[in-house]
Amino acid sequence: DVKVTQSSRYLVKRTGEKVFLECVQDMDHENMFWYRQDPGLGLRLIYFSYDVKMKEKGDIPEGYSVSREKKERFSLILESASTNQTSMYLCASSLGGRGTDTQYFGPGTRLTVL
Amino acid sequence: GESVGLHLPTLSVQEGDNSIINCAYSNSASDYFIWYKQESGKGPQFIIDIRSNMDKRQGQRVTVLLNKTVKHLSLQIAATQPGDSAVYFCAENNGDSSYKLIFGSGTRLLVRP
Repeated sequence: DVKVTQSSRYLVKRTGEKVFLECVQDMDHENMFWYRQDPGLGLRLIYFSYDVKMKEKGDIPEGYSVSREKKERFSLILESASTNQTSMYLCASSLGGRGTDTQYFGPGTRLTVL
Repeated sequence: GESVGLHLPTLSVQEGDNSIINCAYSNSASDYFIWYKQESGKGPQFIIDIRSNMDKRQGQRVTVLLNKTVKHLSLQIAATQPGDSAVYFCAENNGDSSYKLIFGSGTRLLVRP
């Protein structure tokens, strides 16, 4: 079974803090994704990576950056957390084919920025 | 638990009945579709997928139907159980060569005991 793990289930941070969300997958998947999920807005893609050290912006990259130094690990960084970044953050991974790839999700991190 | 959507359409069914959840997709070029289940406070879980060269695919207690003519996807759950209560949403690949999926907003399934 594919396993995608996220470093924290719940996180509370203060405005202006730098926040790191970590995601690890154990299936040697090429692609990894970070989404945020908000009520009424569904899943929105922040960033994705199709290879080590490669990244592409998703639909809402502003205020975020990512790092993929190793194939199994994809980190989402909030450089200076703001209250409007309070959300559920979901990491996903997929095998590596284009366009016909199932994405497998982690359990999510509920981030609250005070 | 956490809500994944404040204004989601809701389907309420009696335990043991069959459930049908519908999804209208947007791009006629999409050729790959997935159904996900998301329980409260958890990440989405893969249920079943289908490619556009098929009209129907069956899994364990679930069936996905694809109607490309009207760009409609449905998920049928047989003998619905309380554990099936969740938000269900479809995803399409948008028919291009990107790695992205386009996700629907979801339907909440409530199973009455």
